[in-house]
Amino acid sequence: NAGVTQTPKFRVLKTGQSMTLLCAQDMNHEYMYWYRQDPGMGLRLIHYSVGEGTTAKGEVPDGYNVSRLKKQNFLLGLESAAPSQTSVYFCASSRTGGSMNTEAFFGQGTRLTVV
Amino acid sequence: AQKITQTQPGMFVQEKEAVTLDCTYDTSDQSYGLFWYKQPSSGEMIFLIYQGSYDEQNATEGRYSLNFQKARKSANLVISASQLGDSAMYFCAMREGRETTDSWGKLQFGAGTQVVVTP
Repeated sequence: NAGVTQTPKFRVLKTGQSMTLLCAQDMNHEYMYWYRQDPGMGLRLIHYSVGEGTTAKGEVPDGYNVSRLKKQNFLLGLESAAPSQTSVYFCASSRTGGSMNTEAFFGQGTRLTVV
Repeated sequence: AQKITQTQPGMFVQEKEAVTLDCTYDTSDQSYGLFWYKQPSSGEMIFLIYQGSYDEQNATEGRYSLNFQKARKSANLVISASQLGDSAMYFCAMREGRETTDSWGKLQFGAGTQVVVTP
């Protein structure tokens, strides 16, 4: 089982460059999330999606855009990278339904450095 | 506003002892779910335990139990009989909202508590 796959695993960008992080899940989950993790800050929600074609802002959406054109994929874009976006990025997905007991499954993370 | 608060940045605990990790949350919804995750130094996120807002019993999963005090809006994780392999960062998280609210599906995390288990 692949679960949640993030690509790439590592990336170094120059300030002002753009890039897209891809998250793919094979569990037919409705919910998908993008987080960033910085030391001492925990996981902060960037954007999330509750279904194909939907996106919503999280706690720290500025400087990022997302798209969910296909149910299994959730893309995170950085249009003009800044050093403040140096972080570890995690994607997660979970199923939905009447029960709230829907744990999120996480990808392995992407370590992004902006120089 | 911070939705999930974990006030203990770090804790030391001796092997075989129990440890309680604090978590308080803020929501006006009646329907929500609370989760605990473990992140070892290798970086992966491991789901530990879940508590629903309507669950009358405290959740338990092996050595993990959740002390859920709804009126206080707290969901503390108790790890019994600590093992060296329990050394990790622990995160509390909440998913709130019914499908009729703007925030449904949103899953937010606290800042985490670093636990170090000593021999």
